[in-house]
Formats: sequence, structure tokens, C-alpha cells
Amino acid sequence: DIQMTQSPSAMSASVGDRVTVTCRASQGIGNYLAWFQQEPGKVPKRLIYAASSLQSGVPSRFSGSGSGTEFTLTISSLQPEDFATYYCLQHNSYPWTFGQGTKVEIK
Amino acid sequence: EVQLVESGGGLVQPGRSLRLSCAASGFSFDDYAMYWVRQVPGKGLEWVSGISWNSGIIGYADSVKGRFTISRDNAKNSLYLQMNSLRAEDTAFYYCAAASGPRGYWGQGTLVTVSS
Repeated sequence: DIQMTQSPSAMSASVGDRVTVTCRASQGIGNYLAWFQQEPGKVPKRLIYAASSLQSGVPSRFSGSGSGTEFTLTISSLQPEDFATYYCLQHNSYPWTFGQGTKVEIK
Repeated sequence: EVQLVESGGGLVQPGRSLRLSCAASGFSFDDYAMYWVRQVPGKGLEWVSGISWNSGIIGYADSVKGRFTISRDNAKNSLYLQMNSLRAEDTAFYYCAAASGPRGYWGQGTLVTVSS
């Protein structure tokens, strides 16, 4: 099974900061990676698909990059509504696997 | 309007069975792979099971393999998860989700509680 190691598990940041979250796959997954945002009490929302494609309606401050085993989610300028937990998901092969999550908190 | 509505959750005793359903509307259901994700309140997301558009490819998390069965009925625009031999650690919110390239949708979830 493919393991997804996500880092950091939590971070504190200020509005306007540039934020980077990383996911590392235990083996190559091509670009079969998605990023999700989950606000407290809400359903997860997909931000990025195919590692770097922005989901329709998602602000352009979100971007994804990487392929193979190393992937990054970047928020170029953190906004108040971005304080949430972020997850990566590999869907290259079954069983699919999520990263452990990164909670972005207000500094 | 796209909708995924889960049902069938509830309180069940350990060792018993439960069948979750997910009713889809507002999109071409048979164009989408479908999957189930669960989340223990306050914890992370866990992928549970997935099924291709024509049921030809099916996968399960190791934690549920041999106990859970995913299926779909494209004529009824519905996804199912048959859960047998339930354990306390299966307690979670269960979400159904659809994926097809740039398009992806999630339901609101249904709570399954396994307790005596």
C-alpha cells in the first residue's frame, strides 16, 4: 500500500503569509494527487486535482505542484477563511490513502 | 443542483451489520467513479472503499477488507456500502464522494455508531 506522509501536522500563520504544505508518497504516484480543505464542522472541499490543477471556483492563491513522490500545496497569501485543515489524497492505486492532515491555525 | 445524500447510518451493536446508501442527483452518475470516506469526529480522513463507473474496479482499505462491500446501481443513481462484522473502531461519519477528472462532489455524511 502507498503511504502518504504529510507535513507539518500543524502550523501557525498570519493573514498574508505564504503557506506551504508537503505530501510525500512512499512510491511514485505520477500526478494522481488531490488536495482537500476542511473547515471545522464542514464537509471536505477539493482544491486541487491532478497535483496542480485548480478546482473550478477555488481562489487562485491556492496552487499545487509536484509529481512522482513529492507534492506541495501553496497558499500564496493566507486569508482569514483559509484557517482550516488540509489533506492530500493519492488515487494512483487502490487502496487510496490520505495524508494525516495539516491544521493551519491563526498566529 | 448536484446532490449526494447518504442514509442508513445509526447506532448498531458490535458484530452486527449496516448498509449505507448514497443517492446521487444533478450529474451523470455513471460517468463517475465513486468512493466512501470516513472520519472519526475530531480526527483525520480515512479512505474506505472505491468503485469505478462500471463496477469493474473495486478497492478497499485494509481496515475494512473482507467486512465491507461496495456496490452501485447506475440505473438508480445509487451507491452502497454493506458493512458487516462492525467494530467499535468503525464508528465515524461516512461520506460518499464522486470523482471524474476536474469534477468532484461530496455528500454531507451519515454517522455510524458501533456500541453495545
